[in-house]
Amino acid sequence: GNSVTQMEGPVTLSEEAFLTINCTYTATGYPSLFWYVQYPGEGLQLLLKATKADDKGSNKGFEATYRKETTSFHLEKGSVQVSDSAVYFCALGPTNFGNEKLTFGTGTRLTIIP
Amino acid sequence: DAGITQSPRHKVTETGTPVTLRCHQTENHRYMYWYRQDPGHGLRLIHYSYGVKDTDKGEVSDGYSVSRSKTEDFLLTLESATSSQTSVYFCAISAQAQETQYFGPGTRLLVL
Repeated sequence: GNSVTQMEGPVTLSEEAFLTINCTYTATGYPSLFWYVQYPGEGLQLLLKATKADDKGSNKGFEATYRKETTSFHLEKGSVQVSDSAVYFCALGPTNFGNEKLTFGTGTRLTIIP
Repeated sequence: DAGITQSPRHKVTETGTPVTLRCHQTENHRYMYWYRQDPGHGLRLIHYSYGVKDTDKGEVSDGYSVSRSKTEDFLLTLESATSSQTSVYFCAISAQAQETQYFGPGTRLLVL
């Protein structure tokens, strides 16, 4: 079945550091890939997505590229800010009728220190 | 922001009592989902709906039932609450299965 393996947390970085959160997946077919972010006390918000191989999703300085050859969708940001502190979830979209759900990774808690 | 509300936002109940959580949307989206979020498990799908009166089970459906009598409302019922159902419950909606899901603010449920 479909699955997502996400970098274990927690991750603690200093402000302006470079961020990478690894995400790899196993899937049949060609799913869309997502990164969601959850700020404290809130629901999940879509951060970015990519719908096909080699697509790059980007938003708020974050980027992730859909790599079919390595089945990966790593999240990167060149210079993190304190306001980026949150939990980040990688997710795999549906791949076929009858499997109409997102498959989530377990989440990576990111803390940015001033 | 997508128009999704959940009620109640917080609830404390006792083991063995029935509990109903409500998700309401104003987007007229076809798909609605209930997830639970627990430490170390990410989000796990409980049930989802692909139209009025059309529902299906997710990966952790035991002990839960759902109903969708109107496009805008999706109810999750814990038939007899247990302590293992203490969790944060999120509703989500999407226009189509392949499209982005938008999440509500969550309901924090404590079963004593």
